[in-house]
Amino acid sequence: EDQVTQSPEALRLQEGESSSLNCSYTVSGLRGLFWYRQDPGKGPEFLFTLYSAGEEKEKERLKATLTKKESFLHITAPKPEDSATYLCAVTNGADKLIFGTGTRLQVFP
Amino acid sequence: DTEVTQTPKHLVMGMTNKKSLKCEQHMGHRAMYWYKQKAKKPPELMFVYSYEKLSINESVPSRFSPECPNSSLLNLHLHALQPEDSALYLCASSQDPAFEGQPQHFGDGTRLSIL
Repeated sequence: EDQVTQSPEALRLQEGESSSLNCSYTVSGLRGLFWYRQDPGKGPEFLFTLYSAGEEKEKERLKATLTKKESFLHITAPKPEDSATYLCAVTNGADKLIFGTGTRLQVFP
Repeated sequence: DTEVTQTPKHLVMGMTNKKSLKCEQHMGHRAMYWYKQKAKKPPELMFVYSYEKLSINESVPSRFSPECPNSSLLNLHLHALQPEDSALYLCASSQDPAFEGQPQHFGDGTRLSIL
């Protein structure tokens, strides 16, 4: 069965304290792994797509990496505005996204 | 600002009411989706439209009725909902169903409350 597990469930960081979020997945034929950011009361905002092991994508303080079993979202020197829930999802090409339960990130000044 | 627009942003309705949620995108995307999201949970897929045809129905109760009038518009008609249907309803679109692995882009949702 295809599934996605994210850890930790919640993460509290001091401003400037770098860390990583984990997304472990099991999927029959990965066609894409996606990272989203979701603010309270808003829809998920697309961040990155990763397609194959070894691939990396960067955007400002965020860097996403992919192996054959997991993906990491590295946050370098986070700021309070990075506080959000980060969702990981995978697809096997069947028009469905399989979501993890997310990591709630809080960054304190 | 998102490129997928949903209206209304908030909706309160009684269990006997009929209402509709609307979603619009002008990115030329040919796949559109409805999701339901409860608090502190990930989005749950309800329906998928591919080239304006319903391609996936995730065993959603018939009190939810989707409609895709054209490639830019997606509606969700609501009738005789239950209190447990209160949730954030999200619309999403993706570029071309023929190309696997395209990201989905979400609107900001309609917050629905059933009295």
